[in-house]
Amino acid sequence: GENVEQHPSTLSVQEGDSAVIKCTYSDSASNYFPWYKQELGKRPQLIIDIRSNVGEKKDQRIAVTLNKTAKHFSLHITETQPEDSAVYFCAARSNTGNQFYFGTGTSLTVIP
Amino acid sequence: DGGITQSPKYLFRKEGQNVTLSCEQNLNHDAMYWYRQDPGQGLRLIYYSQIVNDFQKGDIAEGYSVSREKKESFPLTVTSAQKNPTAFYLCASSISSATQYFGPGTRLLVL
Repeated sequence: GENVEQHPSTLSVQEGDSAVIKCTYSDSASNYFPWYKQELGKRPQLIIDIRSNVGEKKDQRIAVTLNKTAKHFSLHITETQPEDSAVYFCAARSNTGNQFYFGTGTSLTVIP
Repeated sequence: DGGITQSPKYLFRKEGQNVTLSCEQNLNHDAMYWYRQDPGQGLRLIYYSQIVNDFQKGDIAEGYSVSREKKESFPLTVTSAQKNPTAFYLCASSISSATQYFGPGTRLLVL
């Protein structure tokens, strides 16, 4: 099955700086890669996603890049704000099934 | 994701007791999922269902059971065989080929 690894597990940045979180996956059949933000005690919320036929997608301060050859994808947050502080999860879904595989999460702290 | 509800918000289980967590969605999604989240960890799949009356085990199904009698509902039973049930349980649903949306979660604690 699919194996998704996520790094780093914790990340601290100064307000206004950029943050980058990286994930790798093992199944070349994976074709859909969502990113979720989870605040303490709350549900994960989808913030951006990318499909395998696209190399990059951007939504305001958030962007995701995908390298299918290397089997890795990254979340980029620019001009970070304190409200960006949360745990971020990457995930991958194979086109052979409906199951999602999650990374272990990155705890992002934005220091004012 | 406002169309997915879970109840109760908090649940207390006594030793040897079976408890059932509710998950309902009105999004007309075909697939539904149950995940377990332990403190500081990621989401681990317990069970998932792609259609009514069908479900598959995830990575940590032992000690849990599910049913999918209706498209809208996917209840999870934590049985007495699950020796370490304390966790945050998240239900999710999705349309095939689309992302999944999560319910607000149920926090299960052992008395």
